[in-house]
Amino acid sequence: AQRVTQPEKLLSVFKGAPVELKCNYSYSGSPELFWYVQYSRQRLQLLLRHISRESIKGFTADLNKGETSFHLKKPFAQEEDSAMYYCALSSYNTDKLIFGTGTRLQVFP
Amino acid sequence: EADIYQTPRYLVIGTGKKITLECSQTMGHDKMYWYQQDPGMELHLIHYSYGVNSTEKGDLSSESTVSRIRTEHFPLTLESARPSHTSQYLCASGRGGEKLFFGSGTQLSVL
Repeated sequence: AQRVTQPEKLLSVFKGAPVELKCNYSYSGSPELFWYVQYSRQRLQLLLRHISRESIKGFTADLNKGETSFHLKKPFAQEEDSAMYYCALSSYNTDKLIFGTGTRLQVFP
Repeated sequence: EADIYQTPRYLVIGTGKKITLECSQTMGHDKMYWYQQDPGMELHLIHYSYGVNSTEKGDLSSESTVSRIRTEHFPLTLESARPSHTSQYLCASGRGGEKLFFGSGTQLSVL
């Protein structure tokens, strides 16, 4: 069965510290992985997708098929990065997104 | 402006009432989705539609029903609300599964 696991409910760091939000998935085929973010009082929105191999707001995520992981990383956290982050998976032949439980990132000044 | 709209933003209602949560998008998307989210939990897909007159149940069983008579409109209905239906309901649309645009959500409380 398809599943996305985010083991940390809360991650707290100080400004300037590195950040890694963990995401593991289970899927038998070739998935597409995404990170969505929800800032305070804003809507859930796409942050980045693995297929684009892009860096958004300093965040990157690499798909590791061997470890079935898609961890989100940023070398130097900023206060404005404080938000709820959701990892999501889409299977190759469907248009449905499966979300993890989310990790709340708190960046202290 | 192209957007996706959900109304109401908050709804408090008594047990047994019939309710309809509205979702409309002006982005011309064929695909629309309803997710349910309890506090601290993942978003669960409860309904989706790939176009007019097309509706499917999602991965989480729900007593709600949906309709898709117009491309831009995807309302969700509960015939008889119960306290167990208390949750946040998020509507989304997109051209494919890779990028979804979400509405602001409806926080439903059934007393």
